[in-house]
Amino acid sequence: KQEVTQIPAALSVPEGENLVLNCSFTDSAIYNLQWFRQDPGKGLTSLLLIQSSQREQTSGRLNASLDKSSGRSTLYIAASQPGDSATYLCATQGGSEKLVFGKGTKLTVNP
Amino acid sequence: NAGVMQNPRHLVRRRGQEARLRCSPMKGHSHVYWYRQLPEEGLKFMVYLQKENIIDESGMPKERFSAEFPKEGPSILRIQQVVRGDSAAYFCASSRGRDNYGYTFGSGTRLTVV
Repeated sequence: KQEVTQIPAALSVPEGENLVLNCSFTDSAIYNLQWFRQDPGKGLTSLLLIQSSQREQTSGRLNASLDKSSGRSTLYIAASQPGDSATYLCATQGGSEKLVFGKGTKLTVNP
Repeated sequence: NAGVMQNPRHLVRRRGQEARLRCSPMKGHSHVYWYRQLPEEGLKFMVYLQKENIIDESGMPKERFSAEFPKEGPSILRIQQVVRGDSAAYFCASSRGRDNYGYTFGSGTRLTVV
């Protein structure tokens, strides 16, 4: 049974700092890994999708990496801004098509 | 392209009533998934449907919960005789299927049982 863990649970940084969010998973037999952003009381916004055959994906100030063999993914956010404050969720998709989510990292970027 | 549409956004029910949550997938998406987010918990898979078929309901509680995705119209998640523990955010997602295009989520329905 897949288990996804995100560390840290919460993170507070000053504006402008580069930061890394961590995600680990127990079963490396995944099709893909997806990073989402969730704002309070809102739905999920997909940020990056990494296929199992890929090592990383980039979108703007975001870069996500995937190391299947070690069961790890990282989300790197460059030059953080207050608008980046949200909860970031990592999810894996395996053979059954359902996503298995971590509990998220709540990020606060202070102006 | 309106994305995944869920309604209502907020739903309040008294204990013992029925709750009906609706989800219209993105245009071109034939796969629908329901997830539940309990307070202070991560999102948990409930059920995966394609048109007129339930593919995987391994995350659905055995009683009171049911889901459908008819040939015409939205997918419906139905909760009978709601209890306080059903209070949660219910999210619907859709995809084109196992093509690794990823999921698109709706904004969710927040159910409060009083």
